Amino acid sequence: DVKVTQSSRYLVKRTGEKVFLECVQDMDHENMFWYRQDPGLGLRLIYFSYDVKMKEKGDIPEGYSVSREKKERFSLILESASTNQTSMYLCASTPGQRGNNEQFFGPGTRLTVL
Amino acid sequence: LAKTTQPISMDSYEGQEVNITCSHNNIATNDYITWYQQFPSQGPRFIIQGYKTKVTNEVASLFIPADRKSSTLSLPRVSLSDTAVYYCLVGAFNAGNNRKLIWGLGTSLAVNP
Repeated sequence: DVKVTQSSRYLVKRTGEKVFLECVQDMDHENMFWYRQDPGLGLRLIYFSYDVKMKEKGDIPEGYSVSREKKERFSLILESASTNQTSMYLCASTPGQRGNNEQFFGPGTRLTVL
Repeated sequence: LAKTTQPISMDSYEGQEVNITCSHNNIATNDYITWYQQFPSQGPRFIIQGYKTKVTNEVASLFIPADRKSSTLSLPRVSLSDTAVYYCLVGAFNAGNNRKLIWGLGTSLAVNP
């Protein structure tokens, strides 16, 4: 069974803090993703990575950065958290096969920025 | 701009067949259609994926007409535990270029006793 784990289920931070969200997958997947999910807006892609040290911006990268130093780990960084970044953050991974959109999601981190 | 449209909500009763349709008029030749299920406080879970015609697995069927501009997820004989949000995803993920993944906003399915 593929397992995608996220470092925290719930997180409360203050405006201006630097926030790290960690994601680890155990299936040697090439691709990893960070999404945020907000009511009425569905899933929106923040960043993705298709290899170690490789990353690409998704649809809403502003205010975020990412790091992928090892294949199994993909980190999302909020350099200076703001209240509009309060959201559910979801990490996902998928193998590198062309056309395969089967993504394996973690349980999510609900981040509240005060 | 590519768009994936699905109904916001649906209601059903236990034992009925439920069909959820997704509209994707601008689907590209290389795009696949994928459906996910999400329960509260969990990440989405893959249900089924297809390219054309019909695909069936142990939990659902996916019907895709010849023009591929829409698709229908069919859940046979739903139970209360099928109450969830269902997402349609259209795209083809190729690392480095031609990345396109277009998510629908989700259909909230309520199954009543």
